Amino acid sequence: DQQVKQNSPSLSVQEGRISILNCDYTNSMFDYFLWYKKYPAEGPTFLISISSIKDKNEDGRFTVFLNKSAKHLSLHIVPSQPGDSAVYFCAASGDTNAGKSTFGDGTTLTVKP
Amino acid sequence: DTAVSQTPKYLVTQMGNDKSIKCEQNLGHDTMYWYKQDSKKFLKIMFSYNNKELIINETVPNRFSPKSPDKAHLNLHINSLELGDSAVYFCASSQVGQPLRSPLHFGNGTRLTVT
Repeated sequence: DQQVKQNSPSLSVQEGRISILNCDYTNSMFDYFLWYKKYPAEGPTFLISISSIKDKNEDGRFTVFLNKSAKHLSLHIVPSQPGDSAVYFCAASGDTNAGKSTFGDGTTLTVKP
Repeated sequence: DTAVSQTPKYLVTQMGNDKSIKCEQNLGHDTMYWYKQDSKKFLKIMFSYNNKELIINETVPNRFSPKSPDKAHLNLHINSLELGDSAVYFCASSQVGQPLRSPLHFGNGTRLTVT
């Protein structure tokens, strides 16, 4: 029972264009969503998050959109840069006490110069 | 100055052996975790400790035993290693129980290969 899904295993975009990574979830108890970025041989690093009381959060080139009715969130990167090439994980949490996060299986983004 | 550090980075061992992975965080967080990333790249939580107390145990075989001597350390001991234990194990920490949620801070992982 995979509660968080990233249906695109990979995405390739041209430098300067927009990258859009998608994530779907099934558990309506999730109320906090995060995106992590992972380079090879390193641990995931936090990128951006959004609470369920919002539908958009922006941080520089990164914007996360949340559509609660569709149980869908997306990460927009504009403009995309070659250094953004990495695996992006979507994660969801509904547990304020234990801090448990459920992860999607990642999307590999390649930004071509 | 590494925030979450785990050792060793690589661990190659034979079936049936017992091994340990160590993790330390200097962020002052009160909660630490072990996640497993299998061959399908799926990150799955195994355990969580809050101030040395086990709070999450996600149907992990009894051969896996976490130990937290203090809130800055969380070690993972694995008995009788099996081929299926081969994976990358990530330690993480966060500050929970606050109005503003804290993201996870991960170590760089330990790649365990069981032969």
